[in-house]
Amino acid sequence: DAGVIQSPRHEVTEMGQEVTLRCKPISGHNSLFWYRQTMMRGLELLIYFNNNVPIDDSGMPEDRFSAKMPNASFSTLKIQPSEPRDSAVYFCASRGQGANTGELFFGEGSRLTVL
Amino acid sequence: RKEVEQDPGPFNVPEGATVAFNCTYSNSASQSFFWYRQDCRKEPKLLMSVYSSGNEDGRFTAQLNRASQYISLLIRDSKLSDSATYLCVVNNQAGTALIFGKGTTLSVSS
Repeated sequence: DAGVIQSPRHEVTEMGQEVTLRCKPISGHNSLFWYRQTMMRGLELLIYFNNNVPIDDSGMPEDRFSAKMPNASFSTLKIQPSEPRDSAVYFCASRGQGANTGELFFGEGSRLTVL
Repeated sequence: RKEVEQDPGPFNVPEGATVAFNCTYSNSASQSFFWYRQDCRKEPKLLMSVYSSGNEDGRFTAQLNRASQYISLLIRDSKLSDSATYLCVVNNQAGTALIFGKGTTLSVSS
């Protein structure tokens, strides 16, 4: 079975450019999470969706960040404009309904470098 | 105080050693606790849940102390393949999402 699929795996961009990260959750999973990981701050929850509806976006650092989930099989995280401090690995994770609340299935991550 | 705190390590141990990691959490209302494992440049994966009475999975033992808001992971007979970062995880106040510690790095050498 396919796991959580993220794209791109790596992105290098210049400050000020728009970045769009994509995620396809595991089919049948109804919760989707976006995390960001850096050495300094570890793994931070940015936003999560339940049944395609954003539940909590309090972790989104600022207005430059936005996330959407137009349907059950696709989500995007957009940064506009990007800044060097946004450099991190961005993980998407999904969880099934009624599943062990602790088991998140992570994608391989999108490694973003903003120059 | 951070929501989930861990000693970052690294813990450098020889094969066969027993090693223990500790973690404290700030939200006394948390109900669910887990340990995740993350290999270098890979995604985190669930290692085990942590139950109130303590639980064991092979060489791994997890313990919870609610009064002290403290979680532990014990690894016995360490293997080279145990080298990884171990993330302590607690559910958020609403019980709907997971909050991760920054992780403790373990390096097992032969």
